[in-house]
This record gives sequence, structure tokens and C-alpha cells, in this order.
Amino acid sequence: AQSVAQPEDQVNVAEGNPLTVKCTYSVSGNPYLFWYVQYPNRGLQFLLKYITGDNLVKGSYGFEAEFNKSQTSFHLKKPSALVSDSALYFCAVRAPDTGRRALTFGSGTRLQVQP
Amino acid sequence: DTAVSQTPKYLVTQMGNDKSIKCEQNLGHDTMYWYKQDSKKFLKIMFSYNNKELIINETVPNRFSPKSPDKAHLNLHINSLELGDSAVYFCASSRANQGPTNEKLFFGSGTQLSVL
Repeated sequence: AQSVAQPEDQVNVAEGNPLTVKCTYSVSGNPYLFWYVQYPNRGLQFLLKYITGDNLVKGSYGFEAEFNKSQTSFHLKKPSALVSDSALYFCAVRAPDTGRRALTFGSGTRLQVQP
Repeated sequence: DTAVSQTPKYLVTQMGNDKSIKCEQNLGHDTMYWYKQDSKKFLKIMFSYNNKELIINETVPNRFSPKSPDKAHLNLHINSLELGDSAVYFCASSRANQGPTNEKLFFGSGTQLSVL
């Protein structure tokens, strides 16, 4: 079975400050890890993913995430938050060696960036 | 042009009714999905089709029946609607044979179903 935990329902950060949204996962074997963002009344949009290689992955809108195998984590980061980053962020995982291509999503973390 | 489009955007109906949600993608993808997002924003896979063949069928009441007339369409029919079916339903698509380095899901904007 595969699962994802996002321990924070909400993260508040001031504009210009760095932000971190946490994610830990559980999966058999090496994971494929993803971050998606959901703006109000919209579908999820892909931000970035880790498949293999460099543990630091860069994605859209200045976001990056670091894969840490020993801690089974894939935290999302951005050096300087913008008010427009306020949205719902989902971490997702899937095991690479299954026929299932559907992702298992975390419960989401609402990011609120204050001006 | 919208890549993954769902209709209707909002659906308000009475308990016991039967309703359908339609999904179409113009990306040339061969895999489509239905996800359910509950009031707490938790997102859960319901079904997945690859080239019109059902490949994932999670523990979903059999009142929910997906139909894929072709690989660009995946519709969701719900019989005898219940209060607990109220949620946002998202359609998504991906290309199955693109390899993991290009893997990503493209989501529709969702259908908000309210059962009264």
C-alpha cells in the first residue's frame, strides 16, 4: 500500500519569507513523488516531481522540493513567498513497479501568504 | 482550448435521482481517471481507464458506473444519489506510455455535486 501524510492543515507565511510545506510518504520500493497545487474552484495543476537522480527538484513558479530517502520526506519549498502562492498544495506518491498509474494524494495543506 | 473539460460545473439534485458527469480530454492521452474530493479536500481515486479498459476500480459503491465510449471520454454515471455523494468530482488524464520522467496528470476544473 502507498500513503502520503501532510501533517499541517495550514501554513501561514509573510510575503517575501521562505516557505516549507511538509510531506512524508510510505511506499514499497523507490517512490515517484509529486506536488500539485489547487487554486480556488480549479482542478489540480502539476508543480514538480521526483523520479530519480538529483534529490533537489525544481518546478514551476520558483518552487522546489527535496527528496530525503532516509526520512521518507519530500518537502516543498520556496525561497521567497508571494501572495499569489496562496492555494491548496497536495503531495502525491506512487510505486513505480505497479500497473496502477493513479496517484495517492495527501490530505492537502493550505498555504496562506500574508502581504 | 481547455485540455480536460468536465460538464456540468455545478450539479444540484435530490436524493434518489440518477445523474451523469461528462469528461473529455483533447490531449491525446490514453488514460483517464475519476477522483473524488470530499468536504475536507481529501482527494481519492475512484476509477481509471486505459484505452477504454477499466484498470482501477477502488472500493466505490456500484451505484457509480464509469463509461468510456472512446479514449478521449470518460463519463461517470451515478444512480440513486445519496447525501454522502456530495463532493467535488475531478476528471484527469495522462499518457500511459510516456515514461516516468514525463508523467503528470492533467485535471479538469471539477464538478461540484450537491445532493439535497
